[in-house]
Order: sequence, then C-alpha cells, then structure tokens
Amino acid sequence: GAGVSQSPSNKVTEKGKDVELRCDPISGHTALYWYRQSLGQGLEFLIYFQGNSAPDKSGLPSDRFSAERTGGSVSTLTIQRTQQEDSAVYLCASSQTQGVTEAFFGQGTRLTVV
Amino acid sequence: AQSVTQLGSHVSVSEGALVLLRCNYSSSVPPYLFWYVQYPNQGLQLLLKYTSAATLVKGINGFEAEFKKSETSFHLTKPSAHMSDAAEYFCAVSSSGGSNYKLTFGKGTLLTVNP
Repeated sequence: GAGVSQSPSNKVTEKGKDVELRCDPISGHTALYWYRQSLGQGLEFLIYFQGNSAPDKSGLPSDRFSAERTGGSVSTLTIQRTQQEDSAVYLCASSQTQGVTEAFFGQGTRLTVV
Repeated sequence: AQSVTQLGSHVSVSEGALVLLRCNYSSSVPPYLFWYVQYPNQGLQLLLKYTSAATLVKGINGFEAEFKKSETSFHLTKPSAHMSDAAEYFCAVSSSGGSNYKLTFGKGTLLTVNP
C-alpha cells in the first residue's frame, strides 16, 4: 500500500483479555517502530525493529507486552492480560534506513480496556 | 544516546502572530532532526526535516526551522499563525552514526491559536 496501515483502528476489550494489534509498513522500509500515546502523554517508545537485527525492546512497559515482525514486513504488537492503564493509541511507523530516516506513521489503533 | 526536550507543553498565540516552538536535542553523533504535527484524532505528519545540508529548513504550511549546532537547538517558527495551525507538534531526533536510526521524540507542544 501507499502508507503505513494499522488494524484495527479501534479496539475495545475487557480487562484481562489478550489483544493483537497489526501494522503493515510501507513496502521496502526496513525499520519499524511502535509507540504508545496516552491521554495527556507524549509519544512513548515501545519497540524498534531494524532489518534482521535484534529488536530494541527497551520501551516495553512490562512483560505483558511483546511484538514480532515476520519476514521483515508485517508486525504484531501483543498485549496479554490487558489492564485499564493499557488504554491508549498505539502508533506504528516505518522508515528506510538508507539516508535520512524519515518515519511515516499510521493512523494508530485506539485501544480501550473496560 | 539521544534525547529531545521541548520547552513548553502548551503555547497559545493569536491569529497572525509569530509561532515559536522550542526544541533542544542531545545526540552523541551528528543528528537528523524532524518536526511532526498531529491534528486531533489523526496520525503524525512530517512538517520538515534537517539532514545536514542547509541549516534553515523550510517545510509545509509556511513552517521553518533552523538548526543551531552551538545551541543544540532546532526551533520551529511560522511568521503568521492561522487557526488551522492548532495542533500538537513533536520534535524528533535520529542519529546518523553507525546503525542506530532509532527515532526519539520530545513530549510535544500543544499549539492553540486564538481568533
């Protein structure tokens, strides 16, 4: 596709359930980022994938959060045993790693835990 | 290691007035610098970027930013604010050195434009 695609756009889940958020990056982009944006907060870095290198997971807030990137393309962010504080907009972005790393963002997935 | 500090979480200006949003960065290698804008309920859109060429960078919607190495700053300006500029603005830095292309964002500045 022409841009970064995220699905679903909105997700309401019950506390304690697991959720999976999907990101389709721009074709050919080797870098992929997940950020979380909570009400009143800035962009919290979660995880960064760069080609075949080990991902930078330093931003994941707890072991309930995990992410994978299959075949260097699609990425899935999984939150296990969701809590109300996980409610936020989860943003995915991708960029090339040759030259300037201009990141292109998807529209985000708004997660609401009830 | 790299970091970004945006001074002022909320800036309010009158329509037609100068817009100045401040950004200071820290980077151990020559940085690439970006300003992104986020309109309500939308994703982030790139306004402009510094790529080690001209230090004065012009972007979309009349915005520009000047890279000042001595001050480690990359402030965003617009001569005359429009109502449509009301949004949240994020400064970001990435490092050009080695294989570290990770983007680090500031906490954002919410711009309000008053009629």
